Amino acid sequence: DTAVSQTPKYLVTQMGNDKSIKCEQNLGHDTMYWYKQDSKKFLKIMFSYNNKELIINETVPNRFSPKSPDKAHLNLHINSLELGDSAVYFCASSQDSPLRRADTGELFFGEGSRLTVL
Amino acid sequence: DAKTTQPNSMESNEEEPVHLPCNHSTISGTDYIHWYRQLPSQGPEYVIHGLTSNVNNRMASLAIAEDRKSSTLILHRATLRDAAVYYCILSGFSGGSNYKLTFGKGTLLTVNP
Repeated sequence: DTAVSQTPKYLVTQMGNDKSIKCEQNLGHDTMYWYKQDSKKFLKIMFSYNNKELIINETVPNRFSPKSPDKAHLNLHINSLELGDSAVYFCASSQDSPLRRADTGELFFGEGSRLTVL
Repeated sequence: DAKTTQPNSMESNEEEPVHLPCNHSTISGTDYIHWYRQLPSQGPEYVIHGLTSNVNNRMASLAIAEDRKSSTLILHRATLRDAAVYYCILSGFSGGSNYKLTFGKGTLLTVNP
Protein backbone atom coordinates (compact mmCIF):
# COMPACT_ATOMS: atom_id res chain seq x y z
CA ASP A 1 0.00 0.00 0.00
CA THR A 2 1.29 3.45 -0.92
CA ALA A 3 1.69 5.58 2.20
CA VAL A 4 1.12 8.98 0.56
CA SER A 5 -0.66 8.90 -2.77
CA GLN A 6 -1.35 11.76 -5.13
CA THR A 7 -3.57 11.98 -8.18
CA PRO A 8 -3.15 12.74 -10.95
CA LYS A 9 0.53 12.02 -11.53
CA TYR A 10 0.57 14.13 -14.66
CA LEU A 11 -1.64 17.05 -15.58
CA VAL A 12 -1.45 19.12 -18.77
CA THR A 13 -3.82 22.03 -19.11
CA GLN A 14 -4.33 25.43 -20.67
CA MET A 15 -3.75 28.80 -19.06
CA GLY A 16 -6.79 30.11 -17.27
CA ASN A 17 -8.20 26.71 -16.39
CA ASP A 18 -8.95 25.49 -12.86
CA LYS A 19 -7.51 22.19 -11.68
CA SER A 20 -7.22 20.10 -8.54
CA ILE A 21 -4.66 17.67 -7.19
CA LYS A 22 -5.70 15.17 -4.56
CA CYS A 23 -3.61 13.66 -1.78
CA GLU A 24 -4.34 10.88 0.67
CA GLN A 25 -2.20 9.34 3.41
CA ASN A 26 -2.88 6.03 5.13
CA LEU A 27 -0.28 6.47 7.86
CA GLY A 28 -2.62 7.90 10.47
CA HIS A 29 -0.57 11.11 10.57
CA ASP A 30 -1.94 14.34 11.96
CA THR A 31 -0.13 16.77 9.65
CA MET A 32 -0.08 17.11 5.89
CA TYR A 33 1.80 19.45 3.56
CA TRP A 34 1.99 20.70 0.02
CA TYR A 35 5.38 21.48 -1.47
CA LYS A 36 6.17 22.91 -4.91
CA GLN A 37 9.31 22.00 -6.87
CA ASP A 38 10.02 24.37 -9.73
CA SER A 39 12.12 23.90 -12.85
CA LYS A 40 15.28 24.80 -10.92
CA LYS A 41 14.49 21.95 -8.52
CA PHE A 42 13.98 24.15 -5.48
CA LEU A 43 11.47 22.55 -3.13
CA LYS A 44 9.34 25.10 -1.29
CA ILE A 45 6.64 24.57 1.29
CA MET A 46 3.27 26.02 0.38
CA PHE A 47 0.80 24.88 3.04
CA SER A 48 0.53 22.68 6.07
CA TYR A 49 -2.57 21.34 7.81
CA ASN A 50 -2.78 19.76 11.24
CA ASN A 51 -5.99 17.87 11.99
CA LYS A 52 -7.79 19.71 9.20
CA GLU A 53 -6.62 23.14 10.37
CA LEU A 54 -4.32 25.36 8.34
CA ILE A 55 -1.10 26.01 10.27
CA ILE A 56 1.41 27.06 7.61
CA ASN A 57 0.49 29.32 4.73
CA GLU A 58 3.51 30.60 2.87
CA THR A 59 3.38 33.49 0.43
CA VAL A 60 1.26 31.75 -2.15
CA PRO A 61 -1.18 33.45 -4.56
CA ASN A 62 -4.83 33.32 -3.56
CA ARG A 63 -5.45 31.24 -6.66
CA PHE A 64 -4.11 28.30 -4.65
CA SER A 65 -6.62 26.95 -2.16
CA PRO A 66 -5.93 23.86 -0.08
CA LYS A 67 -8.78 21.89 1.42
CA SER A 68 -8.62 19.19 4.06
CA PRO A 69 -11.91 17.30 4.39
CA ASP A 70 -10.35 15.04 7.03
CA LYS A 71 -6.89 14.53 8.41
CA ALA A 72 -6.09 11.81 5.88
CA HIS A 73 -6.75 14.02 2.88
CA LEU A 74 -5.31 17.31 1.67
CA ASN A 75 -6.34 18.55 -1.75
CA LEU A 76 -4.95 21.48 -3.70
CA HIS A 77 -7.18 23.50 -5.98
CA ILE A 78 -5.65 26.01 -8.36
CA ASN A 79 -7.75 28.66 -10.11
CA SER A 80 -6.88 30.58 -13.26
CA LEU A 81 -3.73 28.63 -13.98
CA GLU A 82 -0.67 30.57 -15.18
CA LEU A 83 2.44 29.45 -17.03
CA GLY A 84 4.49 29.95 -13.86
CA ASP A 85 2.40 27.38 -12.04
CA SER A 86 4.08 24.64 -14.06
CA ALA A 87 5.97 22.55 -11.52
CA VAL A 88 5.92 19.28 -9.64
CA TYR A 89 3.69 19.43 -6.58
CA PHE A 90 4.47 17.11 -3.70
CA CYS A 91 2.18 16.15 -0.88
CA ALA A 92 3.71 15.01 2.40
CA SER A 93 2.65 13.98 5.88
CA SER A 94 4.19 13.73 9.34
CA GLN A 95 3.08 12.36 12.67
CA ASP A 96 3.69 15.50 14.67
CA SER A 97 2.84 19.11 14.10
CA PRO A 98 5.40 21.82 13.41
CA LEU A 99 3.34 23.93 15.79
CA ARG A 100 4.57 22.00 18.74
CA ARG A 101 8.11 20.93 18.05
CA ALA A 102 11.02 21.35 15.68
CA ASP A 103 11.48 17.62 15.55
CA THR A 104 8.34 16.66 13.71
CA GLY A 105 9.94 13.38 12.81
CA GLU A 106 10.04 11.95 9.36
CA LEU A 107 8.19 13.57 6.48
CA PHE A 108 6.68 11.06 4.07
CA PHE A 109 6.35 12.40 0.54
CA GLY A 110 4.15 11.30 -2.31
CA GLU A 111 5.55 10.68 -5.77
CA GLY A 112 4.55 14.11 -7.03
CA SER A 113 2.10 15.54 -9.53
CA ARG A 114 3.67 17.15 -12.56
CA LEU A 115 1.57 20.10 -13.69
CA THR A 116 2.24 21.60 -17.12
CA VAL A 117 0.41 24.77 -18.08
CA LEU A 118 0.41 25.60 -21.80
CA ASP B 1 15.49 30.90 8.13
CA ALA B 2 18.83 29.37 9.03
CA LYS B 3 20.54 28.31 5.82
CA THR B 4 22.71 25.40 4.80
CA THR B 5 25.53 25.22 2.28
CA GLN B 6 26.29 22.05 0.38
CA PRO B 7 28.51 21.26 -2.60
CA ASN B 8 26.54 21.20 -5.83
CA SER B 9 27.74 17.75 -6.76
CA MET B 10 29.90 14.86 -5.62
CA GLU B 11 31.01 11.63 -7.15
CA SER B 12 31.68 8.27 -5.60
CA ASN B 13 32.43 4.72 -6.60
CA GLU B 14 30.18 1.82 -5.82
CA GLU B 15 30.81 0.08 -2.49
CA GLU B 16 32.98 2.93 -1.22
CA PRO B 17 32.02 5.21 1.67
CA VAL B 18 30.64 8.65 0.87
CA HIS B 19 30.88 11.70 3.10
CA LEU B 20 28.44 14.46 2.19
CA PRO B 21 29.24 17.73 3.97
CA CYS B 22 26.87 20.46 5.05
CA ASN B 23 27.66 23.84 6.61
CA HIS B 24 25.09 25.58 8.78
CA SER B 25 27.01 28.27 10.61
CA THR B 26 23.86 30.21 11.62
CA ILE B 27 22.14 27.24 13.22
CA SER B 28 20.22 28.05 16.40
CA GLY B 29 20.07 25.94 19.53
CA THR B 30 16.64 24.52 18.70
CA ASP B 31 17.28 23.66 15.04
CA TYR B 32 17.34 19.99 14.16
CA ILE B 33 19.51 18.84 11.25
CA HIS B 34 17.65 16.71 8.74
CA TRP B 35 18.82 14.88 5.64
CA TYR B 36 16.54 13.86 2.84
CA ARG B 37 17.33 12.51 -0.58
CA GLN B 38 15.45 12.62 -3.84
CA LEU B 39 15.91 9.91 -6.41
CA PRO B 40 15.13 10.82 -10.04
CA SER B 41 11.42 11.34 -10.67
CA GLN B 42 10.48 10.54 -7.08
CA GLY B 43 9.48 12.45 -3.98
CA PRO B 44 12.05 13.24 -1.29
CA GLU B 45 12.84 10.41 1.08
CA TYR B 46 13.86 10.78 4.72
CA VAL B 47 17.39 9.67 5.51
CA ILE B 48 18.27 10.74 9.03
CA HIS B 49 18.06 13.60 11.50
CA GLY B 50 19.70 14.71 14.72
CA LEU B 51 20.19 17.56 17.16
CA THR B 52 23.57 17.34 18.87
CA SER B 53 24.77 13.75 19.05
CA ASN B 54 25.86 11.59 16.15
CA VAL B 55 23.09 9.35 14.84
CA ASN B 56 23.07 6.01 13.07
CA ASN B 57 20.31 4.18 11.28
CA ARG B 58 20.04 1.48 8.67
CA MET B 59 20.51 3.95 5.82
CA ALA B 60 23.31 6.20 6.99
CA SER B 61 25.17 7.93 9.82
CA LEU B 62 25.04 11.59 10.75
CA ALA B 63 28.11 13.17 12.25
CA ILE B 64 27.47 16.55 13.87
CA ALA B 65 30.32 18.89 14.71
CA GLU B 66 30.69 19.84 18.36
CA ASP B 67 29.80 23.48 17.64
CA ARG B 68 26.93 22.25 15.42
CA LYS B 69 27.99 24.56 12.61
CA SER B 70 28.51 21.68 10.23
CA SER B 71 27.47 18.09 9.77
CA THR B 72 28.33 15.17 7.53
CA LEU B 73 26.08 12.49 6.13
CA ILE B 74 27.95 9.22 5.79
CA LEU B 75 26.86 6.46 3.46
CA HIS B 76 28.99 3.54 4.50
CA ARG B 77 28.93 1.65 1.19
CA ALA B 78 27.48 3.50 -1.76
CA THR B 79 25.32 1.58 -4.20
CA LEU B 80 23.99 2.66 -7.56
CA ARG B 81 20.62 3.14 -5.90
CA ASP B 82 22.13 5.86 -3.70
CA ALA B 83 22.54 8.17 -6.70
CA ALA B 84 20.26 11.07 -5.82
CA VAL B 85 20.12 14.69 -4.71
CA TYR B 86 20.84 14.90 -0.98
CA TYR B 87 19.33 17.76 0.98
CA CYS B 88 20.65 19.00 4.29
CA ILE B 89 17.88 20.92 6.03
CA LEU B 90 17.37 22.70 9.30
CA SER B 91 13.95 22.60 10.92
CA GLY B 92 13.95 26.16 12.08
CA PHE B 93 11.49 28.37 13.79
CA SER B 94 9.88 30.18 10.93
CA GLY B 95 9.36 33.43 12.75
CA GLY B 96 5.69 32.75 13.21
CA SER B 97 4.58 30.09 15.59
CA ASN B 98 5.71 26.98 13.84
CA TYR B 99 8.69 25.11 12.54
CA LYS B 100 9.22 24.09 8.97
CA LEU B 101 11.72 22.35 6.74
CA THR B 102 13.26 24.63 4.12
CA PHE B 103 14.96 22.71 1.34
CA GLY B 104 18.03 24.15 -0.40
CA LYS B 105 19.69 23.10 -3.64
CA GLY B 106 21.19 19.92 -2.28
CA THR B 107 24.13 17.85 -3.49
CA LEU B 108 23.79 15.69 -6.57
CA LEU B 109 25.55 12.43 -5.79
CA THR B 110 26.74 10.35 -8.73
CA VAL B 111 27.76 6.76 -8.01
CA ASN B 112 30.03 5.11 -10.52
CA PRO B 113 29.89 1.33 -11.04
